[in-house]
Amino acid sequence: QKEVEQNSGPLSVPEGAIASLNCTYSDRGSQSFFWYRQYSGKSPELIMFIYSNGDKEDGRFTAQLNKASQYVSLLIRDSQPSDSATYLCAVNLSGGSYIPTFGRGTSLIVHP
Amino acid sequence: ETGVTQTPRHLVMGMTNKKSLKCEQHLGHNAMYWYKQSAKKPLELMFVYSLEERVENNSVPSRFSPECPNSSHLFLHLHTLQPEDSALYLCASSLGTGNTEAFFGQGTRLTVV
Repeated sequence: QKEVEQNSGPLSVPEGAIASLNCTYSDRGSQSFFWYRQYSGKSPELIMFIYSNGDKEDGRFTAQLNKASQYVSLLIRDSQPSDSATYLCAVNLSGGSYIPTFGRGTSLIVHP
Repeated sequence: ETGVTQTPRHLVMGMTNKKSLKCEQHLGHNAMYWYKQSAKKPLELMFVYSLEERVENNSVPSRFSPECPNSSHLFLHLHTLQPEDSALYLCASSLGTGNTEAFFGQGTRLTVV
């Protein structure tokens, strides 16, 4: 069973702090990795994608990928209360069609 | 707006009813997906269509029947559902089924009574 694992949380951080969200995956052949944000009652929206080992930065967000350790993370700098949401890790698993498979998500709470 | 539109947004149906969920995308994408999201569970992939051909059926019960008449439209036909089928049903599309991100519709909140 090819899986994507996330700690469900909640992860609680103070406003202005760095929030670190982690995700592990079981399929070594996975090629692409995505982070989605889902507000309560809303649909997931893409924040970042990463394909290569290392870091990728976009504004306050940094995605980190380590394929050897099968680990992908999302860092949110200067966290804001508006960042409070569930963050879903998605991995396009190998085996033909590279279908996006989601973790159960980590709930992030940023308190003032 | 993501360019993926789902209707209806909310649906309440009895176990003997037949209803359909509709999804439409205006992004020129070739792949469309149905996901089910239940409380406290990961997004569950149900069906994948690529260029109107079904490429994935993730062991979904036959009471769920997808239809993809063209690359812009996707339906999920529902009949004789069970209360445990109550969930948020999300449609998504992507450029292809390769290394591309998925764009989601707003979802249909389904309640089976």
